[in-house]
Amino acid sequence: GESVGLHLPTLSVQEGDNSIINCAYSNSASDYFIWYKQESGKGPQFIIDIRSNMDKRQGQRVTVLLNKTVKHLSLQIAATQPGDSAVYFCAEPILTGGGNKLTFGTGTQLKVEL
Amino acid sequence: NAGVTQTPKFQVLKTGQSMTLQCAQDMNHNSMYWYRQDPGMGLRLIYYSASEGTTDKGEVPNGYNVSRLNKREFSLRLESAAPSQTSVYFCASQAGAQPQHFGDGTRLSIL
Repeated sequence: GESVGLHLPTLSVQEGDNSIINCAYSNSASDYFIWYKQESGKGPQFIIDIRSNMDKRQGQRVTVLLNKTVKHLSLQIAATQPGDSAVYFCAEPILTGGGNKLTFGTGTQLKVEL
Repeated sequence: NAGVTQTPKFQVLKTGQSMTLQCAQDMNHNSMYWYRQDPGMGLRLIYYSASEGTTDKGEVPNGYNVSRLNKREFSLRLESAAPSQTSVYFCASQAGAQPQHFGDGTRLSIL
């Protein structure tokens, strides 16, 4: 069935290193993806999004790559900081007759080691 | 800006009790959503409201009801709470096709 999922439940990196969080999707028609960051005790916070007409999009210290051939996207965080410790979700909005239903993966826990 | 505000932040109920979770947004967004998040899982959609006066079921609507009171407020009601409804509940709002904005959640335990 259609799904958005993540490869690894936990990723540990050293402070200052780059982090790469991966996400796979199954629907070839998917055309828009969003990355959210969720800190402990908080709601998901928008980080960056990408549409299918792009292969790469950059933000502040974050880059999202989209490979439509293998239906895979990744979130890269440069110079990872302790404040980056959180769970990261990729999500796909599904347009309905009313709103945009978000389908979430299970998330990757990013742990930054000092 | 407060963004999306959820009340209460924590609640403990006994099985069979009823409760309403409140959500309000000050961003003038048309669409609002209720999700639940269980340990180690992503968010699952319970109900949503594309605009004032309309509501629709999401992925896991059983045991819940919602009310879109006005453009700002979207409440979630548990008529007869069950232990399986122990979860963290998130409300979100959205303008058009823009990314959804989330509140900080209500942590609900049902004994």
